[in-house]
Amino acid sequence: GAVVSQHPSWVICKSGTSVKIECRSLDFQATTMFWYRQFPKQSLMLMATSNEGSKATYEQGVEKDKFLINHASLTLSTLTVTSAHPEDSSFYICSASATSVSTQYFGPGTRLTVL
Amino acid sequence: LAKTTQPISMDSYEGQEVNITCSHNNIATNDYITWYQQFPSQGPRFIIQGYKTKVTNEVASLFIPADRKSSTLSLPRVSLSDTAVYYCLPKGEKLTFGTGTRLTIIP
Repeated sequence: GAVVSQHPSWVICKSGTSVKIECRSLDFQATTMFWYRQFPKQSLMLMATSNEGSKATYEQGVEKDKFLINHASLTLSTLTVTSAHPEDSSFYICSASATSVSTQYFGPGTRLTVL
Repeated sequence: LAKTTQPISMDSYEGQEVNITCSHNNIATNDYITWYQQFPSQGPRFIIQGYKTKVTNEVASLFIPADRKSSTLSLPRVSLSDTAVYYCLPKGEKLTFGTGTRLTIIP
């Protein structure tokens, strides 16, 4: 099946610093990648949709200047949490699909803890 | 976006067949129905997808009636490792995750 990786799998940072999370599709080219956030005991919440080579589309309530998304190639998207604060601590999960309507395959997630 | 309704939780004994039903009354004509499995602290794993009638793969079956307003995921002979949260999602361009069904398998 299609494999999506994320790096790092967990990260701890100080308040005010920026953190970059990478999402890679390992065995297919992903025209579209999605970023989700999941708080404990809750469901996944879509943050943004990114298409290769174009600007990401953010969901309502998600600050685009705080969560910077870059999808520069068909196999890599990055999410940068800028000036992180403790309330940004969460489980961040990406998914990738060959086209905007193809099956989404998810990465293993990145646990972010902001002190 | 179509809203889905699933049972919040279910328990079953090992070796039983488990059926999880999801209602999606407002599913769009072009949407497929996709089911994912999620273990704690992991990303969701794709299980099965279908549009109409019955689909079967090596891990599950998916039953979708003609009106497509509901679907049932069937897991044959569950084991302890099937304890997870299961999400039903009509799949258009975006996936909107509901609360899912927390399935607990009892030894």
